[in-house]
Amino acid sequence: DVKVTQSSRYLVKRTGEKVFLECVQDMDHENMFWYRQDPGLGLRLIYFSYDVKMKEKGDIPEGYSVSREKKERFSLILESASTNQTSMYLCASSTGGGDYGYTFGSGTRLTVV
Amino acid sequence: KNEVEQSPQNLTAQEGEFITINCSYSVGISALHWLQQHPGGGIVSLFMLSSGKKKHGRLIATINIQEKHSSLHITASHPRDSAVYICAALGGGADGLTFGKGTHLIIQP
Repeated sequence: DVKVTQSSRYLVKRTGEKVFLECVQDMDHENMFWYRQDPGLGLRLIYFSYDVKMKEKGDIPEGYSVSREKKERFSLILESASTNQTSMYLCASSTGGGDYGYTFGSGTRLTVV
Repeated sequence: KNEVEQSPQNLTAQEGEFITINCSYSVGISALHWLQQHPGGGIVSLFMLSSGKKKHGRLIATINIQEKHSSLHITASHPRDSAVYICAALGGGADGLTFGKGTHLIIQP
């Protein structure tokens, strides 16, 4: 069964901490995405990557960075966590080449106190 | 940028009822996804459509490309169908999906 695995289900961090959210997929997908989901706002794209070491800003990249050193792993980094980054974070992957199929991870609920 | 609108935002129905959730989008797309999110957060892809109609069990998804509209139907609804249903439009580029805000469905026994 194909999977997108997010390393933590729940995470509590302090303001100012550096936070790493990890996402691993086992489908050899080219594209990987990080979204955040907030009540009333839906899912919004933070960053995406269409190849190793490639990254593109999404709609709300401020306060975040990403790393994709290997094809299967896409990391979201909060350089200095703030309370307004408390949210549900979802990772997804998809193939390139027009298949359009997406697979989502189970989400990481991050609370910044 | 695509705008994706879903209706209704909230829907409460009795077990057995036929459910319809609507999704409209503003610009042409490559594909449209219907997603299901249960409490706890994980998202499951139900359908991916680029034309016509798809059926899986009690779920049916349709799309009208000319009208930029898609619907998700649930027949013989059951309390286990209670979830948030999200439509998401995929444009021509690699920059991911544009999501609707979701429809929170509750099916009461």
